[in-house]
Amino acid sequence: DTGVSQDPRHKITKRGQNVTFRCDPISEHNRLYWYRQTLGQGPEFLTYFQNEAQLEKSRLLSDRFSAERPKGSFSTLEIQRTEQGDSAMYLCASSPGRGRVTKVYEQYFGPGTRLTVT
Amino acid sequence: AQTVTQSQPEMSVQEAETVTLSCTYDTSESDYYLFWYKQPPSRQMILVIRQEAYKQQNATENRFSVNFQKAAKSFSLKISDSQLGDAAMYFCAYRGYNTDKLIFGTGTRLQVFP
Repeated sequence: DTGVSQDPRHKITKRGQNVTFRCDPISEHNRLYWYRQTLGQGPEFLTYFQNEAQLEKSRLLSDRFSAERPKGSFSTLEIQRTEQGDSAMYLCASSPGRGRVTKVYEQYFGPGTRLTVT
Repeated sequence: AQTVTQSQPEMSVQEAETVTLSCTYDTSESDYYLFWYKQPPSRQMILVIRQEAYKQQNATENRFSVNFQKAAKSFSLKISDSQLGDAAMYFCAYRGYNTDKLIFGTGTRLQVFP
């Protein structure tokens, strides 16, 4: 169990460019989540997947944001035409999903991708 | 909509002492889960403790315990015998029974002094 990994860890881009982040969940975790954390705030939910199906999507996720999990393993989050307001830490988490065991509900977080839009 | 409020932006404690971090939340649901997450500087967020709303007994995990007051919608975290490694941002989070979405508060930065 190597934990949730995210790539890249840091990304600096110019306004108007597209960026894509990758998240690799803990193996065999069927649920994967994306959150966004701005400075001085708690993480805000963006979306989550059960295998390859996107089950819930926040209104924060504008048309410029898209997330995929094509084979139910890793996921990508793409931001098109980046704006300065997109500067934030993008966190990914994974979970084994629902069940009767207490620890099944825990979401395990990755280290995040810090995006800076100049 | 559910909200989580952490009214203490910063707290400090001396090593080996006890500190309590406050959290209040607002919901109309009767079944839900509450969590405390720790985010050390430049490191990933980890779960400290969780509480199911249907359980009356307060959760404990070693030096960490909660005071869950369902009627008051309050969920405080007590850290006993504080250690230098406890220094971090602490986030209170709410999760409804039928969703996986976590709703976080704004966090409390805990400093631990030797």
